[in-house]
Amino acid sequence: KNQVEQSPQSLIILEGKNCTLQCNYTVSPFSNLRWYKQDTGRGPVSLTIMTFSENTKSNGRYTATLDADTKQSSLHITASQLSDSASYICVVSNTNFGNEKLTFGTGTRLTIIP
Amino acid sequence: GAGVSQSPSNKVTEKGKDVELRCDPISGHTALYWYRQSLGQGLEFLIYFQGNSAPDKSGLPSDRFSAERTGGSVSTLTIQRTQQEDSAVYLCASSLVGRVGEQYFGPGTRLTVT
Repeated sequence: KNQVEQSPQSLIILEGKNCTLQCNYTVSPFSNLRWYKQDTGRGPVSLTIMTFSENTKSNGRYTATLDADTKQSSLHITASQLSDSASYICVVSNTNFGNEKLTFGTGTRLTIIP
Repeated sequence: GAGVSQSPSNKVTEKGKDVELRCDPISGHTALYWYRQSLGQGLEFLIYFQGNSAPDKSGLPSDRFSAERTGGSVSTLTIQRTQQEDSAVYLCASSLVGRVGEQYFGPGTRLTVT
């Protein structure tokens, strides 16, 4: 069964500090891995998309890593800001007979405190 | 430019009533998706439209759920005889090139069945 597990479930850090969110998956065959940011009451917004051959990708203060061998990904946030408070969702795509399906993790709820 | 819009933003209905949720995708996007996000759960795929192809309805939880997409643009998700377990946020997303493309999400409709 395709699954995406994220940890921690929730995290609280001080403004300005760094943090790392984890994502483990059992999805096959693997197509790509995406990180989304979801503000409260909003739809998810894409941060990064990584394919099998990419092991790191940055988007401003967000850096995602991918280890396709161990089926793990991380999202590192540098110099956190209050606006980073949101849920971060890991999504893994698999492609079977040309059809792509997305499996969503339950997210990590990040709270930045001043 | 205009993103994906959904209406209503909130809907409270009595058990047993029918509801219609609307999604306006980004202009020119050929693919449209409906997801359901229950509290503490990952996004759950419901249905996928791609151009004029038959929709992928594999995620619809029961025959009370149906969706249509008129003219390749606006989509309506209909839930008949609503149950309390239907309470969730219903998210719509669209993409330019089908399932492998970047998905842009709307703000969602929060449905509460009393």
